[in-house]
Amino acid sequence: GAGVSQSPRYKVAKRGQDVALRCDPISGHVSLFWYQQALGQGPEFLTYFQNEAQLDKSGLPSDRFFAERPEGSVSTLKIQRTQQEDSAVYLCASSLGRRPDQPQHFGDGTRLSIL
Amino acid sequence: GNSVTQMEGPVTLSEEAFLTINCTYTATGYPSLFWYVQYPGEGLQLLLKATKADDKGSNKGFEATYRKETTSFHLEKGSVQVSDSAVYFCALSDKGAQKLVFGQGTRLTINP
Repeated sequence: GAGVSQSPRYKVAKRGQDVALRCDPISGHVSLFWYQQALGQGPEFLTYFQNEAQLDKSGLPSDRFFAERPEGSVSTLKIQRTQQEDSAVYLCASSLGRRPDQPQHFGDGTRLSIL
Repeated sequence: GNSVTQMEGPVTLSEEAFLTINCTYTATGYPSLFWYVQYPGEGLQLLLKATKADDKGSNKGFEATYRKETTSFHLEKGSVQVSDSAVYFCALSDKGAQKLVFGQGTRLTINP
């Protein structure tokens, strides 16, 4: 079956531009997560949705980062006025239910490079 | 706050060698513990998990046991193959929150 799909796979933007990253979770998955992975590091949590509700955004590094999941399916992570330190791989994951012991299924990520 | 510490890599072994990748954690309460693997050119995949103390997770010949007394979840495999070359991440999720907290990853290379 289809896994988590992210687009674009690669994004290059100039400093100061706005970018939007898309995530299509596995159909029927209630929970959706965004993570940021710097080169050579483990992923770091950004934000969490349960259906359309954003229940945790404690990991968003600044108010330039905004995420939404308006219909409880597709999600978009938007970064405004990008900075060089925003360069990273952005990972989306989904899980079937609401329990913390349920595995998360990851997409291949979007590699963002800010020039 | 919660955190995960993995042994630093890279780790290079010969085929059929015994593998251990150490992982220790700090958490409030009793988290669920996971090992994820990232093969070259692929996304993160769940390798195994354990949800309570003394549970053993296993998959593809890999094993890890949830040790509450030492707050550890070390990954082991008795005989590694070239195809096991990948980056391995230890992670936890707290009972009160679904988000995963990852270690920094350990790059494993197996030589034929």
